[in-house]
Amino acid sequence: NAGVTQTPKFRILKIGQSMTLQCTQDMNHNYMYWYRQDPGMGLKLIYYSVGAGITDKGEVPNGYNVSRSTTEDFPLRLELAAPSQTSVYFCASSTGQTSNSPLHFGNGTRLTVT
Amino acid sequence: AQTVTQSQPEMSVQEAETVTLSCTYDTSESDYYLFWYKQPPSRQMILVIRQEAYKQQNATENRFSVNFQKAAKSFSLKISDSQLGDAAMYFCAYRRTGANSKLTFGKGITLSVRP
Repeated sequence: NAGVTQTPKFRILKIGQSMTLQCTQDMNHNYMYWYRQDPGMGLKLIYYSVGAGITDKGEVPNGYNVSRSTTEDFPLRLELAAPSQTSVYFCASSTGQTSNSPLHFGNGTRLTVT
Repeated sequence: AQTVTQSQPEMSVQEAETVTLSCTYDTSESDYYLFWYKQPPSRQMILVIRQEAYKQQNATENRFSVNFQKAAKSFSLKISDSQLGDAAMYFCAYRRTGANSKLTFGKGITLSVRP
């Protein structure tokens, strides 16, 4: 099973460029999440979605946008890349049916903005 | 707001020995869930163990067990018979019950295992 797949694995952007981080899951999970992981800071929630057509902001949404047109896909868009967005980005999904539903994570995207 | 604190940034353990990783959290809720996730160098986040706050019995998964002290808001992870493959970052996480609740992570602790 593929689980949660993120692309690309690595990316270098120049300041002001834009890009989309792709995330897809094949587990028919309703809940999907985007986190960023900065060194020594743990994971911070950027955006999440509880189902197709529904998205909401997390702790650190500024500078990002998301969409959820299908159950499977949850892309994260950076419109004007800034050095502060240099981080490792993780997509995750869960059934969300109960609060102890585990999150299934992708392998992450390491993004550098210079 | 809920917070999760992992005050030890790094720990080291001898192979085959036991190590305990600490975690405290702050919440006004009475019903919630606690998790430990492992992140090896491959970056993949893996669920190690989870605990439901209304259960008094500490969760156990093979060599991994927790010491859940609800009154003290403490949730430590004990790894017995440590193996080289246990070397990773470990994150403690909290999630309240209810719809649309989100997972809050601690900063993580890096565990190294000495052969």
